[in-house]
Amino acid sequence: EAQVTQNPRYLITVTGKKLTVTCSQNMNHEYMSWYRQDPGLGLRQIYYSMNVEVTDKGDVPEGYKVSRKEKRNFPLILESPSPNQTSLYFCASSLSDNMNTEAFFGQGTRLTVV
Amino acid sequence: AQKITQTQPGMFVQEKEAVTLDCTYDTSDPSYGLFWYKQPSSGEMIFLIYQGSYDQQNATEGRYSLNFQKARKSANLVISASQLGDSAMYFCAMSRMEYGNKLVFGAGTILRVKS
Repeated sequence: EAQVTQNPRYLITVTGKKLTVTCSQNMNHEYMSWYRQDPGLGLRQIYYSMNVEVTDKGDVPEGYKVSRKEKRNFPLILESPSPNQTSLYFCASSLSDNMNTEAFFGQGTRLTVV
Repeated sequence: AQKITQTQPGMFVQEKEAVTLDCTYDTSDPSYGLFWYKQPSSGEMIFLIYQGSYDQQNATEGRYSLNFQKARKSANLVISASQLGDSAMYFCAMSRMEYGNKLVFGAGTILRVKS
C-alpha cells in the first residue's frame, strides 16, 4: 500500500530533550516536506527536500533540523524542544516539485513539550 | 505574499443537502494551483480536489466540485448530497509555480453534517 509513515503518533517530552520524528514513504517520491498544524493557522511548512541531500527552509524553520540521506526517509529533528513547538506535525511527499502535484500526508504526530 | 482565507470557522449542513465552503486567495503569480484537503477527527489529511489557474473548466471529483472564479480569486468547495461521514475539517491550500510543491494553507472550516 502506498503510504507515508510517521513515528511516533503521539509524544510528550520535556523542554530541552532532543527528539526525532521519523518519516518514510514507499512511493519513490522526490519531494518531501514537514508541516506543523496549529489552531487558527492551518498548516505551515517547516522544511522541504527536493531530493537526496537537498533540503531547504520553509516558512517556520526555527528550532528544527532535517536530513535526507535516503530518498524514502526525511526525519524531523528538534535539538532542544520548547513549549512553543507543541503542535501537530505532518510529513508529506509528492512525486515531484511541480506545483500541480498531489501531496500525500502521513498520519500526523501530536507533540507536547512540557 | 500569498495568502489563503477561509472565512467560515464552522458550518452546519443537513444530511443530503449541498454545502459550499468558501476560500479566497491572494497572489500576483499567474501560475498557481488550488487544493482542498479533508481532515477527519482521526487526524489524517485526505486530498479531495485540485484546480490549476489555467484550467478552463471547474474541477469535479465525485460529490466534490470546485467553483473557481479567477477574477474574484475564489475557489469554493461544493459538496453535494452531504453524508454524515463528511463531518470534518476542510482546508483550502495554494501552490505557486515559483515555489514548486509548497502548499500554503487556510485556517480551515469545520463542517458538521446533521442527520
